[in-house]
Amino acid sequence: EIVLTQSPGTLSLSPGERATLSCRASQSLRSSYLAWYQQRPGQAPRLLIYGASIRATGVPDRFSGSGSGTDFTLTISRLEPEDFAIYYCQLYGDSRHTFGQGTKLEIK
Amino acid sequence: EVQLVESGGDLVQPGGSLRLSCAASGFSFETYEMNWVRQAPGKGLEWISFISTGGKFIYYADSVKGRFTISRDNARNSLYLQMNSLSAGDTALYYCARDSGLVPGVHDAFDLWGQGTMVTVSS
Repeated sequence: EIVLTQSPGTLSLSPGERATLSCRASQSLRSSYLAWYQQRPGQAPRLLIYGASIRATGVPDRFSGSGSGTDFTLTISRLEPEDFAIYYCQLYGDSRHTFGQGTKLEIK
Repeated sequence: EVQLVESGGDLVQPGGSLRLSCAASGFSFETYEMNWVRQAPGKGLEWISFISTGGKFIYYADSVKGRFTISRDNARNSLYLQMNSLSAGDTALYYCARDSGLVPGVHDAFDLWGQGTMVTVSS
């Protein structure tokens, strides 16, 4: 079973700064079936990125995903106030969906 | 409006049972694979079950296998989760989530989520 480990656990930044969130898989992924979700307080998760690097419909272009194999990254180029939330990576593609434990992005 | 609306969450005693429902609207429910995902208070996301469009293929996380049963009624645009032998560890917000279907033949990322229904297991 592949385990996804996200880092850091908490990231403290200011609006306008660049955020880099990491998701590491315990084994190399055969495909780029890696997604990123944003969850704001009191809300359901929202799909941001799928296929490791493809933005979902309506997602601003300040969000970008990259990576392959075991290391994946979500980058937010210039933080807006509404971007402060918890971010989860997810492995999909087979019968089980595995989530990382999440990274909390908080205002510094 | 394209949406998923969960219901059925409640306070239940350990060992009890509960049935959750998820009503879909605004899209062709019968053409999408569906899932249940839960989130314990203050914790992360845990996928718990998947069902294919016609209900032929069903999968569960080990944590709920043998206790939970997923089903769907395409005529009623509804997804269900029957939960038995509940314990405190099942206390969570339960979401239904739609497979995006972006890649044929692949269990896909989740592009539509409901707002969740809360299940609390406590005596």
